Amino acid sequence: DTGVSQDPRHKITKRGQNVTFRCDPISEHNRLYWYRQTLGQGPEFLTYFQNEAQLEKSRLLSDRFSAERPKGSFSTLEIQRTEQGDSAMYLCASSFRRGGANEQFFGPGTRLTVL
Amino acid sequence: GQNIDQPTEMTATEGAIVQINCTYQTSGFNGLFWYQQHAGEAPTFLSYNVLDGLEEKGRFSSFLSRSKGYSYLLLKELQMKDSASYLCAVREDSNYQLIWGAGTKLIIKP
Repeated sequence: DTGVSQDPRHKITKRGQNVTFRCDPISEHNRLYWYRQTLGQGPEFLTYFQNEAQLEKSRLLSDRFSAERPKGSFSTLEIQRTEQGDSAMYLCASSFRRGGANEQFFGPGTRLTVL
Repeated sequence: GQNIDQPTEMTATEGAIVQINCTYQTSGFNGLFWYQQHAGEAPTFLSYNVLDGLEEKGRFSSFLSRSKGYSYLLLKELQMKDSASYLCAVREDSNYQLIWGAGTKLIIKP
């Protein structure tokens, strides 16, 4: 069990550019979540997958954001035409659906800075 | 609507005990979680409560009262490494989405 990994760890981009982040969950976990977090706030839910199906997407998420999990394993989050307000830490988490807590395990995050 | 409230910041002394409170108002309830987050790092799972009462895990304990919409995290024998933010999160229903509080920054002084 190598834990949840995310790539890149840091991304600096200019406003208007597209960026793509990758998340590799814990191998046996069938649920995968994307969050955004800004300083002094808790994680803000963006979207989640069960296997390859995207089951829910935040109403706050604009159409510039899209996520995929094509084979039910790794996932990508793309932000098109980035804006300065997109600057944040993007966190990925995974969990395994079974009885009990089903706690989410987080990756180290990708810190995005939009200039 | 959905609302989770925690104090913004708390200060405590090394070796002491501190209680971090969380109150919630959500449309449903399917469990409450506490996570620890050190600066610049990802949240890590601490505890889970779904039934009323106290769950103890080493130096950390978590309490839940569903009728009051209230939980607390109790940290004993504080160590300097406990300086972190502590996040309260509620799972509303079986879709497993979590609603997060803004976190409580805990500062430990020698």
